[in-house]
Amino acid sequence: EPEVTQTPSHQVTQMGQEVILRCVPISNHLYFYWYRQILGQKVEFLVSFYNNEISEKSEIFDDQFSVERPDGSNFTLKIRSTKLEDSAMYFCASSEPGQGASTEAFFGQGTRLTVV
Amino acid sequence: RKEVEQDPGPFNVPEGATVAFNCTYSNSASQSFFWYRQDCRKEPKLLMSVYSSGNEDGRFTAQLNRASQYISLLIRDSKLSDSATYLCVVPTGGGNKLTFGTGTQLKVEL
Repeated sequence: EPEVTQTPSHQVTQMGQEVILRCVPISNHLYFYWYRQILGQKVEFLVSFYNNEISEKSEIFDDQFSVERPDGSNFTLKIRSTKLEDSAMYFCASSEPGQGASTEAFFGQGTRLTVV
Repeated sequence: RKEVEQDPGPFNVPEGATVAFNCTYSNSASQSFFWYRQDCRKEPKLLMSVYSSGNEDGRFTAQLNRASQYISLLIRDSKLSDSATYLCVVPTGGGNKLTFGTGTQLKVEL
């Protein structure tokens, strides 16, 4: 069964450092997303990406964040100058073409980011 | 009204019991709805999609009430392995994002 894969599973970084979280979406999906979940809180939307551009972003997704699809398979989230409050589980997701988030989204196993 | 609202629980039920969760949503234009299951520190996994009045899959039944803007999830003959957090999820923002409820925690006990 096709799945979304994320690397690394756990990343520890020092405050102020840059991190890149990587995702390989399901191959025939065209909509890609990043969500985050702070421990004990709900899953929050960060950004959606379609046709090589951001289609929507939340207030959380400020200039510190960027996304990129550098090749035909990877989808990355870069966090510049990490802060303690960026510590969270980051989930990548993808969905089939045609209807964006109105179709089922499939989530990767997540990257646990710890900023120290 | 919050975009998506759920009772956080926990719901503690004995094995074999029937349990129901409700979820309310604010966007009357939403056309599709999802229930996801999340185990502790794991990713959300799709449990059921609801596009019309309801959906049934084995022991799980989801119902949609558009007039009252709520979705329910019914679990019959609950099993220990059903213990998890159940997330109500609604596409919002023109369909480009999913908005999650806080989740309802279910604990099935012997």
